[in-house]
Amino acid sequence: TQLLEQSPQFLSIQEGENLTVYCNSSSVFSSLQWYRQEPGEGPVLLVTVVTGGEVKKLKRLTFQFGDARKDSSLHITAAQPGDTGLYLCAGYSGTYKYIFGTGTRLKVLA
Amino acid sequence: DVKVTQSSRYLVKRTGEKVFLECVQDMDHENMFWYRQDPGLGLRLIYFSYDVKMKEKGDIPEGYSVSREKKERFSLILESASTNQTSMYLCASSLFRTLNEQFFGPGTRLTVL
Repeated sequence: TQLLEQSPQFLSIQEGENLTVYCNSSSVFSSLQWYRQEPGEGPVLLVTVVTGGEVKKLKRLTFQFGDARKDSSLHITAAQPGDTGLYLCAGYSGTYKYIFGTGTRLKVLA
Repeated sequence: DVKVTQSSRYLVKRTGEKVFLECVQDMDHENMFWYRQDPGLGLRLIYFSYDVKMKEKGDIPEGYSVSREKKERFSLILESASTNQTSMYLCASSLFRTLNEQFFGPGTRLTVL
């Protein structure tokens, strides 16, 4: 069974701090997505990474796909309260299915 | 604006009841999915469908069934609800091409007493 472990599980930081969230697996994925979920809502896609070593930037968010396509990281620079939410990674495992990670719950304090 | 809607935001049922969760998407997507979300476990796939009347088991199909009679509608059925099925249920849809993003509904929080 393919698993995606995210760390840390919880993170509470002050506004303006930087943070990194990790998504790790022993399996290789052909692509990986990051979603953010706010309370009372479904997850919303932030980015898809496809190539090993790929780096994508979305304003203050930087996403990296590991060279071996087994892991990924999300780095947020100068976090803001609006970044608060549950961050989920999801690896494509074939046959239409994505395997979701365990999630990192981020709280940014003003 | 693209949308996935779910029939209820909150639902309370008794053990043994038959429960229907409905999901409708207006994006003409081929693929539809049902997940359950539990703290510390992320999203786990229950069933998915890649076409009308087609369904495939996900990772945790036991105790659930699904129905897709029309392209825009995907229903999740709990044949006989049990307390361990208390959870947040999320429906999603995506285009046929597998790398496309999944669009999620707001979820149904089901409590089984």
